[in-house]
Amino acid sequence: QSALTQPASVSGSPGQSITISCTGTNSDVGVYNYVSWYQQHPGKAPKLMLYDVSNRPSGVSNRFSGSKSGNTASLTISGLQAEDEADYYCSSYTTSNTPHVVFGGGTKLTVL
Amino acid sequence: EVQLLESGGGLVQPGGSLRLSCAASGFTFVTFSMSWVRQAPGKGLEWVSTISGGGDTTYYADSVKGHFAISRDNSKNTLYLQMNSLRAEDTAVYYCARGGGTMILGWFDPWGQGTLVTVSS
Repeated sequence: QSALTQPASVSGSPGQSITISCTGTNSDVGVYNYVSWYQQHPGKAPKLMLYDVSNRPSGVSNRFSGSKSGNTASLTISGLQAEDEADYYCSSYTTSNTPHVVFGGGTKLTVL
Repeated sequence: EVQLLESGGGLVQPGGSLRLSCAASGFTFVTFSMSWVRQAPGKGLEWVSTISGGGDTTYYADSVKGHFAISRDNSKNTLYLQMNSLRAEDTAVYYCARGGGTMILGWFDPWGQGTLVTVSS
């Protein structure tokens, strides 16, 4: 059960936009729109930021948006704020071997 | 308010067993799938297991299949994870999370605060 591929780190200055990629295969990201994104601050539980590629749960800022092209999903954060500094994880439903869920390795976002 | 409260973590010797619990409140428990996700110290998230709302369908990661068992008691609004034959690589914070969407294997929202399991002699 292989993990999705994310960059280890990204950074940006306040007010800028950044994009975090999440690359899977044609058993998960490439064929299902069941990609979700989670934000995790140090020592805290993860928080759902996007589901089904681009849907925002109630209460999540519209500065967070998602998209997908082929086997790669992306999370874009616009108007970066200091509070956005955190780890971000993507996740997808997959039918590789047996149905299950796979996470990306995580991306550390640093706000400069 | 939706709340998930894990308990049962602790220090256990290799080969030992532990049962984690997750008490849910603030929603109709039986209508949601529930999952366990773990995070080894300094590492990323790893999906462990998911159970359907009625408890009749379960899924496991290959890494725990055969030595972990997920279950739920809908009369007590509680999710469980029975962990047997524990190994050092099972050391992690274990989170329970409510499932989202119409699929059993959907997104996870919200998450509990986590309970730490340490496997060491």
